[in-house]
Amino acid sequence: EVQLVESGGGLVKPGGSLRLSCAASGFNFSNYNMDWVRQAPGKGLEWVSSISSRSSYVYYGDSVKGRFTISRDNAKNSLFLQMNNLRAEDTAVYYCARVSGRGVIRDIDYWGQGTLVTVSS
Amino acid sequence: DIQVTQSPSSLSASVGDKVTITCRASQTINSYLNWYHQKPGKAPKSLIYATSRLQSGVPTRFSGSGSGTDFTLTISSLQPEDFATYYCQQSYITPYTFGQGTKLEI
Repeated sequence: EVQLVESGGGLVKPGGSLRLSCAASGFNFSNYNMDWVRQAPGKGLEWVSSISSRSSYVYYGDSVKGRFTISRDNAKNSLFLQMNNLRAEDTAVYYCARVSGRGVIRDIDYWGQGTLVTVSS
Repeated sequence: DIQVTQSPSSLSASVGDKVTITCRASQTINSYLNWYHQKPGKAPKSLIYATSRLQSGVPTRFSGSGSGTDFTLTISSLQPEDFATYYCQQSYITPYTFGQGTKLEI
């Protein structure tokens, strides 16, 4: 069974940093691209970042570019999101998501349960 | 960036109804359009990928169609468990933008 378990969320002051982790199990993690998607309270989904299976390619949304860094450790089946210079508008539930291995067809087939990040003084 | 606009933003329906949700992209995305749904307090779940292909385990009352810039999600006969918020997402090019969501209510 595919499982994605996020951790590392919490309360942080504006300008602070936080590192999210996602522990993957039930599949060959090193074969899959991975995403982070977030959802502000009461709002819709926002794609945050993507990383390819071997970390060759990383992509970021405009709102987090230059502040967030996505990375992975395939040996430990783990995905990370380093978030620096956090702002109030970064407050959201952050979901770890597996990108299906369907070649050029790109979609998310599994989601974690999410971890809440609150940026407030 | 490609903008993705969903309509309607909310929809009231009854069990057994047929409903359609529309997603329009600001430029062509070929068939790179996916659908997800989400219940309150829960993580999203994947429904349809590449416009019309059902994720494993998704009931056949769900269907998707479209190409280019205009896409639809149809639920042929609403069931109680279908009341949720539905999102489309373009996966043609980064940033992989989502629609704003359609809340399907009783």
